[in-house]
Amino acid sequence: DQQVKQNSPSLSVQEGRISILNCDYTNSMFDYFLWYKKYPAEGPTFLISISSIKDKNEDGRFTVFLNKSAKHLSLHIVPSQPGDSAVYFCAASDVYGNTPLVFGKGTRLSVIA
Amino acid sequence: DAGVIQSPRHEVTEMGQEVTLRCKPISGHDYLFWYRQTMMRGLELLIYFNNNVPIDDSGMPEDRFSAKMPNASFSTLKIQPSEPRDSAVYFCASRTGHTEAFFGQGTRLTVV
Repeated sequence: DQQVKQNSPSLSVQEGRISILNCDYTNSMFDYFLWYKKYPAEGPTFLISISSIKDKNEDGRFTVFLNKSAKHLSLHIVPSQPGDSAVYFCAASDVYGNTPLVFGKGTRLSVIA
Repeated sequence: DAGVIQSPRHEVTEMGQEVTLRCKPISGHDYLFWYRQTMMRGLELLIYFNNNVPIDDSGMPEDRFSAKMPNASFSTLKIQPSEPRDSAVYFCASRTGHTEAFFGQGTRLTVV
């Protein structure tokens, strides 16, 4: 069973517009959520995170929103740039912080110039 | 720090051969994780260590897979014997406490 789900395998957005990547989770014990970005032939790199005590966290062009009641989070990229084209992974860990990150399968974002 | 270092970057081997993947975590990190990335399953956790002790190896697919962490600066993932279905990208990651994990660049394994 997949505890972290990214239901959109791919997303295409025009440069300058907003990219919205979605993620759902099933485990109520998760309290820390992260987004990673991965370019081809490289390891995933940390992008932004959010704790369950918040519903929004912003870092420049990137904002993560958390809806605990719906067990849903999303990553907004505004404005989208061609360099944002990558695979984005959603990840989560539990309240104790001592367990590994559980990843979704990723969403491939293509930003078209 | 140079980050998490994995070697080799690419490995091509014949079915039945032993394969050893290596990882050097970031100094001071007390958690080390081995993940495997495939198209079908995405990033799946194989095993993780805390302070060099294996904590959970339930993600290791079969007894053909084994992992060790003899000290805080080195870990290996071994596959013996290797099979074509083991072909994937294997990532090592490390972290300290309740923070983000830092990944290495991965080892692309091809078993022919």
